[in-house]
Amino acid sequence: AQSVTQLDSQVPVFEEAPVELRCNYSSSVSVYLFWYVQYPNQGLQLLLKYLSGSTLVKGINGFEAEFNKSQTSFHLRKPSVHISDTAEYFCAVIRNSGNTPLVFGKGTRLSVIA
Amino acid sequence: NAGVTQTPKFQVLKTGQSMTLQCAQDMNHNSMYWYRQDPGMGLRLIYYSASEGTTDKGEVPNGYNVSRLNKREFSLRLESAAPSQTSVYFCASSESRGRNQPQHFGDGTRLSIL
Repeated sequence: AQSVTQLDSQVPVFEEAPVELRCNYSSSVSVYLFWYVQYPNQGLQLLLKYLSGSTLVKGINGFEAEFNKSQTSFHLRKPSVHISDTAEYFCAVIRNSGNTPLVFGKGTRLSVIA
Repeated sequence: NAGVTQTPKFQVLKTGQSMTLQCAQDMNHNSMYWYRQDPGMGLRLIYYSASEGTTDKGEVPNGYNVSRLNKREFSLRLESAAPSQTSVYFCASSESRGRNQPQHFGDGTRLSIL
């Protein structure tokens, strides 16, 4: 079965600074990868997804992620964060065949400091 | 554009009481899911329904039952609530034509068991 590890549970960063949220996965077969964002008292919203093709994926709100097959990673980046980016971010993986469901990481809480 | 609607938004129960959490989606999605979210644990899948008329256990099904009432509605029942079931519950839906389809989430039900 696949699994996801988000390496940082909390990431504080100053406003307008760059940020990287790290995600590693394990799977014996090819996978699809997703990043979701959760604002306080809301459900999760899709930020971006990697299905195939270009390893650099651009999402909403200026976020992007890079798929690295050799390192089994899918790190999320933003060059300049805003206060409004304060939220919890979840990486998720699903095998591209079979019937195993989507698996989420434990989340990274991003706190942007003014 | 409602998307995924969960009711109620908040609930407090006493140990041993029963309750049904309701979920409805208006996106004509085939697949629906129930998750629980606990601090530091990410989202864990309780049950899912790949299509109308089918349900399957997820990672943490004990103490829960589900009903896929029709294509729109997927309910989660706690027959005898326990304090360990205090959590935030999320319903989600997705197209099932491909495993690359993202899930769409409701805003959650915050459930406390005393």
